[in-house]
Amino acid sequence: AQSVTQPDIHITVSEGASLELRCNYSYGATPYLFWYVQSPGQGLQLLLKYFSGDTLVQGIKGFEAEFKRSQSSFNLRKPSVHWSDAAEYFCAVGARITGGGNKLTFGTGTQLKVEL
Amino acid sequence: DAGVTQSPTHLIKTRGQQVTLRCSPKSGHDTVSWYQQALGQGPQFIFQYYEEEERQRGNFPDRFSGHQFPNYSSELNVNALLLGDSALYLCASSPIYSGQPNTEAFFGQGTRLTVV
Repeated sequence: AQSVTQPDIHITVSEGASLELRCNYSYGATPYLFWYVQSPGQGLQLLLKYFSGDTLVQGIKGFEAEFKRSQSSFNLRKPSVHWSDAAEYFCAVGARITGGGNKLTFGTGTQLKVEL
Repeated sequence: DAGVTQSPTHLIKTRGQQVTLRCSPKSGHDTVSWYQQALGQGPQFIFQYYEEEERQRGNFPDRFSGHQFPNYSSELNVNALLLGDSALYLCASSPIYSGQPNTEAFFGQGTRLTVV
């Protein structure tokens, strides 16, 4: 069964500083990996996704993530954080459902706080 | 283009009661998945519907049931509510591309269910 670990429950960074959120996954086949962001009381918004090809993936809002198969990692990065990036971030791995789409398994999330 | 819409946004129910949550998928999507997000946790997969059938179920009891209608909208029903069912319930829709497993899920804003 697939699983996702996000080791950091809370992270605080200063505005303008760089950011890296860690994600480790466990999955037997080629993983489909996602990063979602959730603002308070809101649903999930997709930041970026990896299915195959280039291991460095660009997403929205200036985020990028790098897939490293040898480390089973898919860390999220941003060179310069803005105060509006404060939110909860979820890493997820997708598994194919027979006859259907993907079933997502999420990590427990990382709460990002941005200090002005 | 309307995204995924869920109703109601908030709901308070008493232990033992039954509840029905509703979801309309994004235009062009025919697959609906339901997730439960407890406070401080990542979303957990409940089940997925495609072609009006339940395709896969997560680790949830039979008290959780669903339905998909011909217009692809979906309902989540929970019977005999427990205090532990209090959570944010998220609906996600995705398109099914034949032979293409890399389908992206779009999430609604969720329904906040409180059981007292």
